[in-house]
Amino acid sequence: AQSVSQHNHHVILSEAASLELGCNYSYGGTVNLFWYVQYPGQHLQLLLKYFSGDPLVKGIKGFEAEFIKSKFSFNLRKPSVQWSDTAEYFCAAGSSASKIIFGSGTRLSIRP
Amino acid sequence: DAGITQSPRHKVTETGTPVTLRCHQTENHRYMYWYRQDPGHGLRLIHYSYGVKDTDKGEVSDGYSVSRSKTEDFLLTLESATSSQTSVYFCAISASGGPGSNTEAFFGQGTRLTVV
Repeated sequence: AQSVSQHNHHVILSEAASLELGCNYSYGGTVNLFWYVQYPGQHLQLLLKYFSGDPLVKGIKGFEAEFIKSKFSFNLRKPSVQWSDTAEYFCAAGSSASKIIFGSGTRLSIRP
Repeated sequence: DAGITQSPRHKVTETGTPVTLRCHQTENHRYMYWYRQDPGHGLRLIHYSYGVKDTDKGEVSDGYSVSRSKTEDFLLTLESATSSQTSVYFCAISASGGPGSNTEAFFGQGTRLTVV
């Protein structure tokens, strides 16, 4: 069955700390992978996406993610977080022939 | 931003009344989705559509029905609203196509529904 798992429900960090949010997927066929961010009171917006090619993907606002096919993982990273990164982060998987599946989300709180 | 509009944006309704939320897209995307978002539960898929008149249930479909009579419109109906359906509802769209197609999902602004 298709699924996306995010292991961390709530992460609390201080400003300037490094961030890594885990995401594992189970999805048949050629998979496209995404990270979305939802700032308080807003809708989901795309942070970055992986379709093919270089497994290290760079997105907006200094975020990056690495696709590791052997581990079925697509973890999100940022070397130094800011207070403005406080948000909820969703990992998702999809393909050209099927619907997109979202993980349950990780709430990130940044202490100033 | 992708052309996706939800209406209404806010609604207060009474228990037992039917409610319909509308999602309208101008992108001609194949897939359309309805999610609800509640604190501590993330996004939960209610129903989705993979074409005109083609719909399927998500994980929390009880008490909800959908219809898609045109590519651009996907309606979500709460047949008899209950307080447990108080939530924020998001519509999303995504495309399909051959390998390499951009299957990114785009989200509407959300509808805040309160059932009193």
